[in-house]
Amino acid sequence: SQKIEQNSEALNIQEGKTATLTCNYTNYSPAYLQWYRQDPGRGPVFLLLIRENEKEKRKERLKVTFDTTLKQSLFHITASQPADSATYLCALETGANNLFFGTGTRLTVIP
Amino acid sequence: KAGVTQTPRYLIKTRGQQVTLSCSPISGHRSVSWYQQTPGQGLQFLFEYFSETQRNKGNFPGRFSGRQFSNSRSEMNVSTLELGDSALYLCASSFLTPMNTEAFFGQGTRLTVV
Repeated sequence: SQKIEQNSEALNIQEGKTATLTCNYTNYSPAYLQWYRQDPGRGPVFLLLIRENEKEKRKERLKVTFDTTLKQSLFHITASQPADSATYLCALETGANNLFFGTGTRLTVIP
Repeated sequence: KAGVTQTPRYLIKTRGQQVTLSCSPISGHRSVSWYQQTPGQGLQFLFEYFSETQRNKGNFPGRFSGRQFSNSRSEMNVSTLELGDSALYLCASSFLTPMNTEAFFGQGTRLTVV
């Protein structure tokens, strides 16, 4: 069965630095991979989607890479701000009209 | 345009009871997915509906069921509640499928079983 590992449960970084979150998956190779942000008590919010034939995708201070050989996606937030503190979830399409989510990385940006 | 609306936001039920949760997707969206989120397990897929048909189901017991109406609104039902069913239940809507487009999530329904 599909398995996702997100690098660590929690990550603390200093304001202004680049945060790098990792998503590693096994077995099924998805054609699409998505990243979501979730704040406490709220539903996840979509950030970026990357296709298997795309190496990199950017949106403002966010960058996602997708390495299908390594079965890994990296999610970067540059010039991080305290407002970026949240849990970030990696999600893979399964080929069956649903998304398979990782357990997330809780990012804290320290002022 | 209005987002995904889930009702109620909070529920407290007793073991053995049943519960029905409601989800109104974004207008024009035909795919509705349901997820259970707990601190230990993260987001786990329950089922997905499209045009009133269940297209996919996760690995949950038969006590968990759902349906979708012709206006794309969806309900999920949990019968014979157990303490372990306490969780945040999230609904997500997508235009056709969540696989290759973004999924829009509601705020969730926090269910507590006592």
